[in-house]
Amino acid sequence: ETGVTQSPTHLIKTRGQQVTLRCSSQSGHNTVSWYQQALGQGPQFIFQYYREEENGRGNFPPRFSGLQFPNYSSELNVNALELDDSALYLCASSQSPGNEKLFFGSGTQLSVL
Amino acid sequence: ILNVEQSPQSLHVQEGDSTNFTCSFPSSNFYALHWYRWETAKSPEALFVMTLNGDEKKKGRISATLNTKEGYSYLYIKGSQPEDSATYLCAFIADSNYQLIWGAGTKLIIKP
Repeated sequence: ETGVTQSPTHLIKTRGQQVTLRCSSQSGHNTVSWYQQALGQGPQFIFQYYREEENGRGNFPPRFSGLQFPNYSSELNVNALELDDSALYLCASSQSPGNEKLFFGSGTQLSVL
Repeated sequence: ILNVEQSPQSLHVQEGDSTNFTCSFPSSNFYALHWYRWETAKSPEALFVMTLNGDEKKKGRISATLNTKEGYSYLYIKGSQPEDSATYLCAFIADSNYQLIWGAGTKLIIKP
């Protein structure tokens, strides 16, 4: 058990809708990263938040946005959902950005129909 | 575009045998390399974070080496056990931009 929890575990949406995924970080961690994993591929970096500020962003369109709260929990919002957004979304927390180990949640499986 | 390659894609190993697999990454602008184990229905679990060329790390029967000059890391498992069955992922960080670039993983299946 890593102490990182994600909700919901599964979600079904239709194309064009909006979705919010949530992540609570491990106690003592101030950094949260979000990843998208499609079947058969490695995780793709979406963005990272460090002390409530975005600290790096991968190659994802602006309709992917996020927040980090004062307690270091985080949200991932995706607007105008597309079929290709169907994937497992992983959240990971760490003590700081950089070369610290990541502690992952068990993910949210999003299906867009 | 930075690319991380893992080979083989999948591997069947007899219980008790030792095995190893490879992570290849860009040899320039190296900052750190991570190894994770991901068992089915669980979260990815950190194995090693490696930062120095020539680094060797060990955790029980699992060890890893790092060659930043030629851009590869090996993960070794000695005396494979059924509980070692998992997907092993490596991730590369360049130049402290904190973005992990992940390989697609090596799926290891241990045959009893």
